[in-house]
Amino acid sequence: QKEVEQNSGPLSVPEGAIASLNCTYSDRGSQSFFWYRQYSGKSPELIMFIYSNGDKEDGRFTAQLNKASQYVSLLIRDSQPSDSATYLCAADGSSNTGKLIFGQGTTLQVKP
Amino acid sequence: EPEVTQTPSHQVTQMGQEVILRCVPISNHLYFYWYRQILGQKVEFLVSFYNNEISEKSEIFDDQFSVERPDGSNFTLKIRSTKLEDSAMYFCASSGQGRQPQHFGDGTRLSIL
Repeated sequence: QKEVEQNSGPLSVPEGAIASLNCTYSDRGSQSFFWYRQYSGKSPELIMFIYSNGDKEDGRFTAQLNKASQYVSLLIRDSQPSDSATYLCAADGSSNTGKLIFGQGTTLQVKP
Repeated sequence: EPEVTQTPSHQVTQMGQEVILRCVPISNHLYFYWYRQILGQKVEFLVSFYNNEISEKSEIFDDQFSVERPDGSNFTLKIRSTKLEDSAMYFCASSGQGRQPQHFGDGTRLSIL
């Protein structure tokens, strides 16, 4: 069973701090990795995607990928109360059909 | 910014009835997907669709489920005889290529009574 694992949290950080969210995946054939943000009762919203080992930065967000360790992370700098949401990590399968395998999600709470 | 559109936003149906959930993917996208999320659980893959055929389906996607692209813009999910356990949020997504980011619609909340 191919899986993506996340700590469900909640992860609580003060406003202005760095939030660090982590994810591991089991399918070594996965090539594409995505972070989605999901507010309660809403749909997943794409935040970041990463295909290569290393870091990828976009504004306050940095995604990190280590394929050898099968580990993906998301850093949120200068966290804001509006960042409070559930963050979903997803990996594609090795079948090349685009199927995404989602983790359970980590709930982030940013306290003013 | 182009977006995926889903209708209806909420569907209430008696057990055993057929439902059709509708989606309009982003216009230049080629890959289409359905996912579901039972309340409090993870988002689960149902089916991927490319070039007018199913490219992959999950164990959840049994004979009660079917998908169709009836015209150049709509993508539908049909559940033939609904069960109580089909109650969930159903999300449609689309992408330009198979491994590119998928953009999700707002979802249809399906409630089976």
